[in-house]
Amino acid sequence: DGGITQSPKYLFRKEGQNVTLSCEQNLNHDAMYWYRQDPGQGLRLIYYSQIVNDFQKGDIAEGYSVSREKKESFPLTVTSAQKNPTAFYLCASSRDRDYGYTFGSGTRLTVV
Amino acid sequence: RKEVEQDPGPFNVPEGATVAFNCTYSNSASQSFFWYRQDCRKEPKLLMSVYSSGNEDGRFTAQLNRASQYISLLIRDSKLSDSATYLCVVFTSYMDTGRRALTFGSGTRLQVQP
Repeated sequence: DGGITQSPKYLFRKEGQNVTLSCEQNLNHDAMYWYRQDPGQGLRLIYYSQIVNDFQKGDIAEGYSVSREKKESFPLTVTSAQKNPTAFYLCASSRDRDYGYTFGSGTRLTVV
Repeated sequence: RKEVEQDPGPFNVPEGATVAFNCTYSNSASQSFFWYRQDCRKEPKLLMSVYSSGNEDGRFTAQLNRASQYISLLIRDSKLSDSATYLCVVFTSYMDTGRRALTFGSGTRLQVQP
């Protein structure tokens, strides 16, 4: 079955560490996105990529980095520069704007 | 002002009730509109797209008013399984930056009670 796989489901980070969240899709979608969700709030766009080897900053890119070396993969690195990284991170992909997004099941990141 | 605004709720309704959610968006150039459903601690899932002509999917009816920049979702004959957060979502393509992405409202929480 086609879909988006995010891993790990839960991640704990120590202060000052960089961590990388994985996102893989086998839907043959060109566009991929990373969002962050805080409790009681909507999703906020971190980074997005419309084609391989290209990506753009979203609304809250500071402290994050991404790469898009393959169509299927769009990993997100949460760097030590991100001062408040505890959140629910969601990866999504889309074929076309009129079809909406398909989301992965998310990664819950907690700083300990 | 937020780009997409929704009443956060919660809406507490009995089973069988009809409930309506409203949403406004600020960018008149927005092009596509959706309602997503999000269960507690889960990812959002597409419920339905929203068109100016209005569209219906079983007990769910969505409507878009471009002139008023207003989107609605009506749920008839509410079921316990409808309890979730409903997210109003807008797609905008920005000509100046080339950005194409969805913007999410904060969601309206629905609790259907027996």
